[in-house]
Amino acid sequence: RKEVEQDPGPFNVPEGATVAFNCTYSNSASQSFFWYRQDCRKEPKLLMSVYSSGNEDGRFTAQLNRASQYISLLIRDSKLSDSATYLCVVTYSGYALNFGKGTSLLVTP
Amino acid sequence: GAVVSQHPSRVICKSGTSVKIECRSLDFQATTMFWYRQFPKQSLMLMATSNEGSKATYEQGVEKDKFLINHASLTLSTLTVTSAHPEDSSFYICSHSGSADTQYFGPGTRLTVL
Repeated sequence: RKEVEQDPGPFNVPEGATVAFNCTYSNSASQSFFWYRQDCRKEPKLLMSVYSSGNEDGRFTAQLNRASQYISLLIRDSKLSDSATYLCVVTYSGYALNFGKGTSLLVTP
Repeated sequence: GAVVSQHPSRVICKSGTSVKIECRSLDFQATTMFWYRQFPKQSLMLMATSNEGSKATYEQGVEKDKFLINHASLTLSTLTVTSAHPEDSSFYICSHSGSADTQYFGPGTRLTVL
């Protein structure tokens, strides 16, 4: 089931740049939305939840548009350590997560 | 957050052998655990939902007789890949749910079948 679509990238950006990732989901009944970060050969780690009102955590801003079934992640002032794959995730309550394929980000000096 | 461990972290085996992967929830009693598989450059795909004390629920296309899941206690779920073949080589990750639909993932097991 390909319910979550992401631009796979890769996005190559210089340090300090602002980069935005987009994601669309197909199931309008989806209830919860997240961005996860996955480093090479590691398990995914929760970056942030995404709410309709939009939410910000430091340099990271996430937005959800339920009408368009669209989720975004904005990273400001990119750091080298931000290089990773960013996974868009949606779920129903209590169900397992539906992952997008991920968007690869490489921040260069 | 909750801590989930997996063992082994990496395993190399010969084709035709069986491999058991353990997933332990170290500080949470998980009635439900999830098993995912991730092939290179692909997304994590749910294989099955492991239910404590009852049969696992498998996703379409996942052979239940090949991927045996046992969830005998609230802190341990095991996945056994039976008669492994090279196409089973993948990254296997378990998880359980936390609050607000978040998931806590194990560190993953990288299986290579020769």
